[in-house]
Amino acid sequence: DGGITQSPKYLFRKEGQNVTLSCEQNLNHDAMYWYRQDPGQGLRLIYYSQIVNDFQKGDIAEGYSVSREKKESFPLTVTSAQKNPTAFYLCASNRGAINTGELFFGEGSRLTVL
Amino acid sequence: SQQGEEDPQALSIQEGENATMNCSYKTSINNLQWYRQNSGRGLVHLILIRSNEREKHSGRLRVTLDTSKKSSSLLITASRAADTASYFCATDTLNNNDMRFGAGTRLTVKP
Repeated sequence: DGGITQSPKYLFRKEGQNVTLSCEQNLNHDAMYWYRQDPGQGLRLIYYSQIVNDFQKGDIAEGYSVSREKKESFPLTVTSAQKNPTAFYLCASNRGAINTGELFFGEGSRLTVL
Repeated sequence: SQQGEEDPQALSIQEGENATMNCSYKTSINNLQWYRQNSGRGLVHLILIRSNEREKHSGRLRVTLDTSKKSSSLLITASRAADTASYFCATDTLNNNDMRFGAGTRLTVKP
């Protein structure tokens, strides 16, 4: 079945450690996105990529990094520079370009910093 | 920054009643979309309305868009307990594909 897979579902990290969240899609979508969601809040855009080897900062990119070496994959690294990384992280994709239509979401990764 | 702002933040109704949620946004848009999220899960797309459309229907959902007021509303008719979830609007801006979400409305439908 086509879809988006995020892993791990739950992740614990010690302060000062980097951690990478995986996002893979087999929908042949050009565009991929990372969002952060805090409890009871909306989604805030971290990074997005419209095509392989290209990505743009969203509204809260500080302390995060991404790569887009393959169309199917858009991993997010939460670095030690991110001051408050405990959150629910959601990856999404769509066809890309203008008037692109709906986003398809993964089931999320919940990161807790101990 | 959040592009869209939903209101109310929370809404509690009885099964069978209608639920109306509103979304306001700040900049010119290509499309406005509504999504649903069950607690702790990913979001699911409900409906998309383009900037040149004023109203759209899908089953029990009705969406309106007023670009002069930069606002949209989502109406869920004949609500069911299974409609209990958070609902978000999302917009993408002209000549871009940046999808930004509002803070959401938490809907509770009591059986």
